[in-house]
Amino acid sequence: AQRVTQPEKLLSVFKGAPVELKCNYSYSGSPELFWYVQYSRQRLQLLLRHISRESIKGFTADLNKGETSFHLKKPFAQEEDSAMYYCALTPTQGGSEKLVFGKGTKLTVNP
Amino acid sequence: KAGVTQTPRYLIKTRGQQVTLSCSPISGHRSVSWYQQTPGQGLQFLFEYFSETQRNKGNFPGRFSGRQFSNSRSEMNVSTLELGDSALYLCASSLVQGSYNSPLHFGNGTRLTVT
Repeated sequence: AQRVTQPEKLLSVFKGAPVELKCNYSYSGSPELFWYVQYSRQRLQLLLRHISRESIKGFTADLNKGETSFHLKKPFAQEEDSAMYYCALTPTQGGSEKLVFGKGTKLTVNP
Repeated sequence: KAGVTQTPRYLIKTRGQQVTLSCSPISGHRSVSWYQQTPGQGLQFLFEYFSETQRNKGNFPGRFSGRQFSNSRSEMNVSTLELGDSALYLCASSLVQGSYNSPLHFGNGTRLTVT
């Protein structure tokens, strides 16, 4: 079964501090992984995806197949990073739109 | 370009009634998927449509159904509402089928309250 676990419901850091949002997944095949973000009073939107290997707003995420993890990192957090973050996976086979989401981590960056 | 539009934004229904929610995808997007968001279960996949055909379905009872029209607009219907159906229902669209091919764009959702 496909499963995404985000162990921290809440995460609070100070501005300028490094931040890491944890994500572990369970899937027997080779999944594609994403991070979605929802800022206050905005709609859910894609932050980054594994296949792009990109850095968005200073965030990066590395897929560790051995540890089945896809943690989201930023070296210096900003107040505007405060939001709800969701890790998600989809199977690469079949072209499905189905995303399996974690329960989310609420990040608060304090001034 | 207008984003994904969901109507209505809020709905209050009583148990046993049925409800229809509407989703207009971004112009040119042909794939539409639906998610249910609750505090307890988080975001859960309901179903997805591409070219008016249901391509995948989540683990929800048959009371939940949907369809897609030739203009890619989609509706979902919930019959015989239960209290546990109270949730935020999110619609997402993408250019092509397969979220690894093109990202999902979400609407603001419809907040359904069942009393």
